Amino acid sequence: DAGVIQSPRHEVTEMGQEVTLRCKPISGHNSLFWYRQTMMRGLELLIYFNNNVPIDDSGMPEDRFSAKMPNASFSTLKIQPSEPRDSAVYFCASSPSDRGPTGELFFGEGSRLTVL
Amino acid sequence: DAKTTQPPSMDCAEGRAANLPCNHSTISGNEYVYWYRQIHSQGPQYIIHGLKNNETNEMASLIITEDRKSSTLILPHATLRDTAVYYCIVTSSNTGKLIFGQGTTLQVKP
Repeated sequence: DAGVIQSPRHEVTEMGQEVTLRCKPISGHNSLFWYRQTMMRGLELLIYFNNNVPIDDSGMPEDRFSAKMPNASFSTLKIQPSEPRDSAVYFCASSPSDRGPTGELFFGEGSRLTVL
Repeated sequence: DAKTTQPPSMDCAEGRAANLPCNHSTISGNEYVYWYRQIHSQGPQYIIHGLKNNETNEMASLIITEDRKSSTLILPHATLRDTAVYYCIVTSSNTGKLIFGQGTTLQVKP
């Protein structure tokens, strides 16, 4: 089975440009999570969706960040405008949350973003 | 969710058991203990979880003390590929929302 698929794997852009990161969760999973990882702050949860609905976006750093999940098989994380401090690895994860404890998340390989 | 405390780093000889401790003294009755690991440049990988009883799967064993204030992840025969950052997470969330700490960097040495 295909795991969580993220694109692009690497993105280098200039400050002020718009960045769009994409995620395809595992088929049948109804929870989706966006995390960001930096050396300074470790792994931070940005936002998560359940059944395509944003449940908690308290981790989104500021209005420059937005996330959407138009359907069960696709999500985007957009940064507009991007800044150098947004440089990080962004991970998408999905989870089947229908039954029992749901801490078993399946992570993608991440999108490494560099903003110059 | 309860806070966890882990040693920042540990070493283990290849082929020996790796025992990674985690302290979660403020854990509540409905909170689970989860373990993940992150191998360099990859996404975190789920290892195991438990509530009260000890658990074992193909990757590892999880030993939870009777008072549930601490736990130990055991990799029975560590290999070089087990070198990674190991995260202990406590959560009651039924949404899968996990808060990662700094974890323990395990270095398996030949």
